[in-house]
Parts: sequence; structure tokens; C-alpha cells
Amino acid sequence: AQRVTQPEKLLSVFKGAPVELKCNYSYSGSPELFWYVQYSRQRLQLLLRHISRESIKGFTADLNKGETSFHLKKPFAQEEDSAMYYCALSGGSKSTFGDGTTLTVKP
Amino acid sequence: GAGVSQSPSNKVTEKGKDVELRCDPISGHTALYWYRQSLGQGLEFLIYFQGNSAPDKSGLPSDRFSAERTGGSVSTLTIQRTQQEDSAVYLCASSSRAGGGYEQYFGPGTRLTVT
Repeated sequence: AQRVTQPEKLLSVFKGAPVELKCNYSYSGSPELFWYVQYSRQRLQLLLRHISRESIKGFTADLNKGETSFHLKKPFAQEEDSAMYYCALSGGSKSTFGDGTTLTVKP
Repeated sequence: GAGVSQSPSNKVTEKGKDVELRCDPISGHTALYWYRQSLGQGLEFLIYFQGNSAPDKSGLPSDRFSAERTGGSVSTLTIQRTQQEDSAVYLCASSSRAGGGYEQYFGPGTRLTVT
């Protein structure tokens, strides 16, 4: 069985502060991990995927197989980063999403 | 190009009635997913289609829920005898292929309210 846990439903930081959105997963095989984001009144969209090892909008995420984690990080949060963030695991044909974390960046 | 579209955007129905939700995936995408997004909860997988293979229905919450995909393109999610707990946003997504590593493109969702 595959499982994704995002322990924080809500996360609030001040503009310019570092932010880390936590994601832990459970999967017996070799997982593909993603972060999706949903800005207010917009559709859910891909932010980044671990196989690309890229930085998008200043966000990075490193897959830690030992800790089974895929935390999303940004060194300096911006107000426009306020959104709902979902961690997702793709194993085989199915994708499993976490419950999401609502990030609020205060001015 | 055109993204994933869903209709209707909003649907209000009375308890006990049947509803049909429609999804038009991105042209050429062979994989299509349905999810349910409830307030305060994450995305709940419902069903997935890949090409001509039998759909993975493992996420459907009850036999009141069914879905079909005609001609490998448009998909319809049907909920029979709706209940208040069915109220949620129903999201459709498509990807060029199923499986790991392939980005899912989401539609805007259908907000279903059962009164």
C-alpha cells in the first residue's frame, strides 16, 4: 500500500522567512514523488517532481529514502507563495496525494 | 493548447437524485483520473483509465459511483442516489501516460452540493 502524510494542515510564516512543508511517504517500491500547488481560484498544477531535481519558483525538494521524506523548502517565502500544497506519490499506475498543507505567507 | 475541461462547474442537486459529471481530457492523453476533494481533506483517488485497459476502480467509495470513458477520450462520472456526504469538488486529471514520472494536468473541478 502507498501512503502520503503531510503532518501540517496549516502553516504560516512571515515574508522573507524560510519555509518547509513536510511530506512523508510509505511505499514498498521505488517511488516517484511530486509536489502540486493550488493557488486561490486556480486549478491544481505541478510544482516540481523529484526526478527532475529542479528548483521551481525558488522551491526545492529532496527525496530522502532513508527517512522516506520529500520535504518542500524555500529559503525566503514570498506572499505569492500562499497556496495549498499537495505532496503526491506515484507508484505503478496510481497516484496517492496527501491531505495538503495550506501555506500562508504574511507581509 | 486547451487544457482539461470539466462540466458543469457547479451542480446543486437534491438528495436521492442522480448526477453526471463530465471531463474532457487533453487531446492525446491516454490516462485519465478522477479524484474527490472534500473540505479539509486531501485528494481522494476514485478511478483511473489507461487506454483500452480495464479501469482501476479501487477508489470508488460505493456502488453508487461509476465512471466510463468513451472512445478513449471524454469521461463521465455518475453518482446515483446522491447523499449529502457526496458533496465535494470532483477533479479530473489527464496525463500522457499512466504511471510514475508523468505529470497530471487537472481540470477546474465540478463543485457538487447535495441538499
